[in-house]
Amino acid sequence: GAGVSQSPSNKVTEKGKDVELRCDPISGHTALYWYRQSLGQGLEFLIYFQGNSAPDKSGLPSDRFSAERTGGSVSTLTIQRTQQEDSAVYLCASSLAVRGYGYTFGSGTRLTVV
Amino acid sequence: GQSLEQPSEVTAVEGAIVQINCTYQTSGFYGLSWYQQHDGGAPTFLSYNALDGLEETGRFSSFLSRSDSYGYLLLQELQMKDSASYFCAVTQSRYGGSQGNLIFGKGTKLSVKP
Repeated sequence: GAGVSQSPSNKVTEKGKDVELRCDPISGHTALYWYRQSLGQGLEFLIYFQGNSAPDKSGLPSDRFSAERTGGSVSTLTIQRTQQEDSAVYLCASSLAVRGYGYTFGSGTRLTVV
Repeated sequence: GQSLEQPSEVTAVEGAIVQINCTYQTSGFYGLSWYQQHDGGAPTFLSYNALDGLEETGRFSSFLSRSDSYGYLLLQELQMKDSASYFCAVTQSRYGGSQGNLIFGKGTKLSVKP
């Protein structure tokens, strides 16, 4: 697609439920990243995928968080047993390769855990 | 690990020039990036410096001094639409080389007044 698409744009869930967030990167972009942004804060790195290589999961805050990328394209971030502190905007970005610049971000999914 | 410091808020008037500073501590450095984010919007890439010196793109310029672990974003002829948060970011490279994910500062909220 022309840009990075994320869905849903907003998600309200009850504490303890599982949620899945979807990211569709720009066609041809081999690198895909997930970040989390709490209100008024910076972007916290979660995980990145590069081609067929094993993902770098070093930013995932707990084992309740997982992500996969199917066919080198669409990615899903799953949060199990959600907690109130998981409330944030989850941003996905893609780039032509894993590099330190030129990311294109999606508009994010605003997750609210009640 | 990586850490970045930038001012939390800056206020300026329309037509003025403003400089947003960023200092960083890093175990491996490959470049400094700047992103702009309007309230409720996605971060958008502004500039990237891998080498010392000034990079100019229209009204925006970015500077890097690797020896001082310091950079800045310079915004000239400020417009109301420039009111946004500005993030500096450095590449975190775990495996050597220039590939890695971005680590972001906490952002500087710029308010442009009439």
